[in-house]
This record gives sequence, C-alpha cells and structure tokens, in this order.
Amino acid sequence: GQNIDQPTEMTATEGAIVQINCTYQTSGFNGLFWYQQHAGEAPTFLSYNVLDGLEEKGRFSSFLSRSKGYSYLLLKELQMKDSASYLCAVMDSNYQLIWGAGTKLIIKP
Amino acid sequence: SQTIHQWPATLVQPVGSPLSLECTVEGTSNPNLYWYRQAAGRGLQLLFYSVGIGQISSEVPQNLSASRPQDRQFILSSKKLLLSDSGFYLCAWSGGADTGELFFGEGSRLTVL
Repeated sequence: GQNIDQPTEMTATEGAIVQINCTYQTSGFNGLFWYQQHAGEAPTFLSYNVLDGLEEKGRFSSFLSRSKGYSYLLLKELQMKDSASYLCAVMDSNYQLIWGAGTKLIIKP
Repeated sequence: SQTIHQWPATLVQPVGSPLSLECTVEGTSNPNLYWYRQAAGRGLQLLFYSVGIGQISSEVPQNLSASRPQDRQFILSSKKLLLSDSGFYLCAWSGGADTGELFFGEGSRLTVL
C-alpha cells in the first residue's frame, strides 16, 4: 500500500528553527509537495521537490532524498503566524496525490 | 488571475437529507477539478476528479456523486446523507493531471446529525 508518515504535532518557539519530517512509500514518484493549512482554512501550496536536494524559498526550505523516501520542511525565524498544519503529499506513478495526515505546528512566544 | 469559490461554507444537515455543494473557477479554461474530504486527524481523501465537462472519476465508492455541467463548475451531491459524511469538503483545481500544485476553495464544513 501507499503510505505517507509525518509527526502528528510539534511545538517550537518564536524566532527558532523547526524541521518537519515526512517519509513515504508510494507506487512510483512524480514529486513531493508541502502545503500549509491554517485551522479552519484550505491548504495553500508551499513547495515542490522532484529532484534530490534542497529548495529554498525565503524562510522556508524543503529537502528531498528519493533513495530514502524522505523529505523535510525547514522553517526558520519562526513567527506566530506559522502556527498551522503542514501537509506532505507525494504524486505517484498515476499522477495521483497521496496525502499525509499533516503535522500541527504550535508556536510559543 | 484565477479564483476558486465554493459554497456554502458551513451546513448542518439531518441524516437522510440531500446535499449539494457547488464550486466555480474563474480565470482559467479546462481546469482539472477535484473534490476532497478531510476528516479530523487524517489526510485529504480524494473523492472525485474531472478532466473535462461530463467526465467524472470516482475514487471512493459511497453515497456521494459529482457532476460537471460546465467547464468551470463542479458540484458534489448526495441523495441521502449518512453520519459518516460529516467532514470538511474542499474543491480544488489544477492546470493539468501531472501537476501537484492545487488551488483550493475556502472549504465547506458539513455536520450530519
């Protein structure tokens, strides 16, 4: 079966750095995506990785290792507005998105 | 610019009643359209997707149905709601089948009592 694993919840301090991990087992691979979802709202696209390595976009970076079936999302200089759930999704060989359950990130002052 | 809108935002329905959620997209042509359901603590579950007018693919057998009467309109329906249909329903569009960048509507929270 296809599976996406990510921690259920994480806590971090304002101004700090946090890394949210995602491991996957899917039928084929056509890219990995990270989305941010604030409580009660729709997800919004953050990043896309299809090749190994690090993609940086401002305070957010996403890393991919296809051989390990592993990705992480790195958030720097945390702000209170970063409190949200972060969803990892993998596109399989049929171009279907397989979604993780999301990691709820709590930022404390 | 492209926009997506779905409604209603919130609804409370009794078991056995019908359902209709509507989604429209503006600013793009021939989008791929999706209906997802999100249950608490679980990943997004794809219910239906459509690559064109009248073309609907169902991912999960259930008492829900979808229709695409126009290029930029996607409707989720049920004739008789079950308790298990409660959840957060999200409509989304993308520019193609091979892109995972989805643009979501505001979501519709359904509570079945």
